Amino acid sequence: NAGVTQTPKFRILKIGQSMTLQCTQDMNHNYMYWYRQDPGMGLKLIYYSVGAGITDKGEVPNGYNVSRSTTEDFPLRLELAAPSQTSVYFCASSYADVGSPLHFGNGTRLTVT
Amino acid sequence: AQSVTQLDSQVPVFEEAPVELRCNYSSSVSVYLFWYVQYPNQGLQLLLKYLSGSTLVESINGFEAEFNKSQTSFHLRKPSVHISDTAEYFCAVSGAGANNLFFGTGTRLTVIP
Repeated sequence: NAGVTQTPKFRILKIGQSMTLQCTQDMNHNYMYWYRQDPGMGLKLIYYSVGAGITDKGEVPNGYNVSRSTTEDFPLRLELAAPSQTSVYFCASSYADVGSPLHFGNGTRLTVT
Repeated sequence: AQSVTQLDSQVPVFEEAPVELRCNYSSSVSVYLFWYVQYPNQGLQLLLKYLSGSTLVESINGFEAEFNKSQTSFHLRKPSVHISDTAEYFCAVSGAGANNLFFGTGTRLTVIP
């Protein structure tokens, strides 16, 4: 059982470039999330989705976009990369919203120079 | 809105010694509480959770946490740590709603041989 799979593991972008971080889960979870993790800051929610076709902003959505065309996939798009987007990005999924633990991928380490 | 405070950013402890990682939260409504563990280059994994019922919850690898409503705390304890417990530990609090999960800034536990 693969759980939550993220690709790529590492990426270096130049300022202004764009890229898509891929996330897929095989647990048939309706809820999916994108977080960024910065040293000493914990995890901040970027976007989340409560089901296919439904997405909403989290705490730090600026500079990012998402889509959810299927239950399994939840890609995160960076359109114009900025140094402030240097971070580790985690995708997660859960069975329900209230009290349900999150299942995390292993992360994508992104550097923007 | 909820917030989570983990006062100790780093906790070094000798092998087989006891450890307590502190977590305090602020919320005016009922909450669900979690501890997640992150090993190097991996995503977060659920360690234990409090949803309701007994205020003392345990994990399969010897950790326990006690929900204290009057002190708004959910401290994590282990009576005897092992080298393999070296990791970063995140406390999280959740209310209702998919965008209502908040993480602390993490405590890095280092077990010294």
